[in-house]
Amino acid sequence: GQQLNQSPQSMFIQEGEDVSMNCTSSSIFNTWLWYKQDPGEGPVLLIALYKAGELTSNGRLTAQFGITRKDSFLNISASIPSDVGIYFCAGPWSNYKLTFGKGTLLTVNP
Amino acid sequence: DAGVTQSPTHLIKTRGQQVTLRCSPKSGHDTVSWYQQALGQGPQFIFQYYEEEERQRGNFPDRFSGHQFPNYSSELNVNALLLGDSALYLCASSLVAGAQGTGELFFGEGSRLTVL
Repeated sequence: GQQLNQSPQSMFIQEGEDVSMNCTSSSIFNTWLWYKQDPGEGPVLLIALYKAGELTSNGRLTAQFGITRKDSFLNISASIPSDVGIYFCAGPWSNYKLTFGKGTLLTVNP
Repeated sequence: DAGVTQSPTHLIKTRGQQVTLRCSPKSGHDTVSWYQQALGQGPQFIFQYYEEEERQRGNFPDRFSGHQFPNYSSELNVNALLLGDSALYLCASSLVAGAQGTGELFFGEGSRLTVL
């Protein structure tokens, strides 16, 4: 089946710093999605990407669908304490199901 | 606008028992998917229900079964529980127009199952 490699596994940063994380797949994807999960909550969709090369922003978050269609990147600018959580990449929405990465745990030090 | 609601939020069972988890989708959504999230892992797809039928299934044994009701709500049943079934079970709803969809899922807060 499809496998997603998400990196880094965890990040510990200072408030105000920029963050970058990425995800690679073993096969070509037609969809990349980025979700965030807070403790005790279900994942919440942040950004959805549907075309190779697409660059989409949601506030301080920016994500890109890689040209090769096998990778995606998520950047967070000027991090704040509420950015703390686990960020998951997911794809490709084939056969009505998503495959999720293992997540990147982000900790922001005020 | 009510989001996805799941019940119960927490439960403890012993090996061999059976469990039923419930989900009400977001208002206006007609499709329900179930995911299992083990500690430290991403969610794993169990199955999806649309029009009261299982439309797609992940790599889970037959001990995992489900149902969707005419009001689009859904149940997940797990029989003969194993220790390894301990996890957060997430329900996600979406709106699928025919065979199309966007993969944009709305998740509930999950049901935390502990098997002793």
